[in-house]
Amino acid sequence: AQTVTQSQPEMSVQEAETVTLSCTYDTSESDYYLFWYKQPPSRQMILVIRQEAYKQQNATENRFSVNFQKAAKSFSLKISDSQLGDAAMYFCAYGNNNDMRFGAGTRLTVKP
Amino acid sequence: GAVVSQHPSWVICKSGTSVKIECRSLDFQATTMFWYRQFPKQSLMLMATSNEGSKATYEQGVEKDKFLINHASLTLSTLTVTSAHPEDSSFYICSAATGTGELFFGEGSRLTVL
Repeated sequence: AQTVTQSQPEMSVQEAETVTLSCTYDTSESDYYLFWYKQPPSRQMILVIRQEAYKQQNATENRFSVNFQKAAKSFSLKISDSQLGDAAMYFCAYGNNNDMRFGAGTRLTVKP
Repeated sequence: GAVVSQHPSWVICKSGTSVKIECRSLDFQATTMFWYRQFPKQSLMLMATSNEGSKATYEQGVEKDKFLINHASLTLSTLTVTSAHPEDSSFYICSAATGTGELFFGEGSRLTVL
């Protein structure tokens, strides 16, 4: 079965600074998607960014970008110019049409 | 964007009763729906994957007779917690996949079994 590993239970960043959250995964599939989701205290899952495995170009979404290393099965999230509203749990996820699994999560704290 | 509606958002029931949670995709047809359970301060644990018109695929360790999943149409999946007990108290989240790599989540349902 596919697995997703987030090795950083907690991370902290100063407001306006940059932080990188790590994620690795394991799969034998060649066609899949990778996601980063944010979960605030409301517990609603919010999509931050999505990457299609067949695309070599790293996805970016405003202040959020990923470093996708397919051979290494690594998918890190970089948050630039961190804002107080970025504080939340962040989950890395692997998915295809019939499977969708999450890492353990990283709690991000943003210091003013 | 696409919306997935999940309800009830919060339900309290007595031990031994059954509770049904609905997950509905409002503006798209979901080829696959996923059901997750989330304990406090933990990740989402995949319980089962359901495709319209077929039996759900349950993850190892998830009791299929306890957690009944029905995916009757391309826009509706239900999770029924049968004979609920306090240990079934948890946050349950559904998500719906479009088939093109997009996934949308419901708001979640908090179940408390007394």
